[in-house]
Amino acid sequence: KAGVTQTPRYLIKTRGQQVTLSCSPISGHRSVSWYQQTPGQGLQFLFEYFSETQRNKGNFPGRFSGRQFSNSRSEMNVSTLELGDSALYLCASSPDRNTGELFFGEGSRLTVL
Amino acid sequence: GQNIDQPTEMTATEGAIVQINCTYQTSGFNGLFWYQQHAGEAPTFLSYNVLDGLEEKGRFSSFLSRSKGYSYLLLKELQMKDSASYLCAVRVTNAGKSTFGDGTTLTVKP
Repeated sequence: KAGVTQTPRYLIKTRGQQVTLSCSPISGHRSVSWYQQTPGQGLQFLFEYFSETQRNKGNFPGRFSGRQFSNSRSEMNVSTLELGDSALYLCASSPDRNTGELFFGEGSRLTVL
Repeated sequence: GQNIDQPTEMTATEGAIVQINCTYQTSGFNGLFWYQQHAGEAPTFLSYNVLDGLEEKGRFSSFLSRSKGYSYLLLKELQMKDSASYLCAVRVTNAGKSTFGDGTTLTVKP
């Protein structure tokens, strides 16, 4: 059974640009959540999607957005990039919203110059 | 909201036992998880507690006291490969999210 797949693994952008990150959950998993990981802030919750609907959102500005498709694949978008957006963006999937552990992808490491 | 505290760093010797503590404050508690994250890698699931008591899984055990908002992860017979960050996470009912502590970086020395 394939794990959670995130693309791209590494990317470099400049301030003001936008970026789209993709996540394919484990087959059969319907809940997808996104986290930002930085050395100073740890793992911070961005948002959670279930059945193509955003069910929960963390304390991030509106520049951070996402969506989920009918096959449970998810994308997140960050517009007008800032230097502080440099981080590891982790996607995690689980079978549903209230049971089971999170299965994480390898992450997309974003560097903003 | 949720607040999770765990020590920033710990050091232990190969073959020894180490206990990593985690305290939390939350409403709608629906389980406490421990994840292991090696440098440059994704977090991986270690253990799960939803009821009070001890869960044992090989060299790893995790304990939960819901009334005290307290958990610990116990690692026995430490190996060098156990050097990693250990993340405590709390899941909230019907929120579909887990809130993570900042992680405890464990260094195992020979």
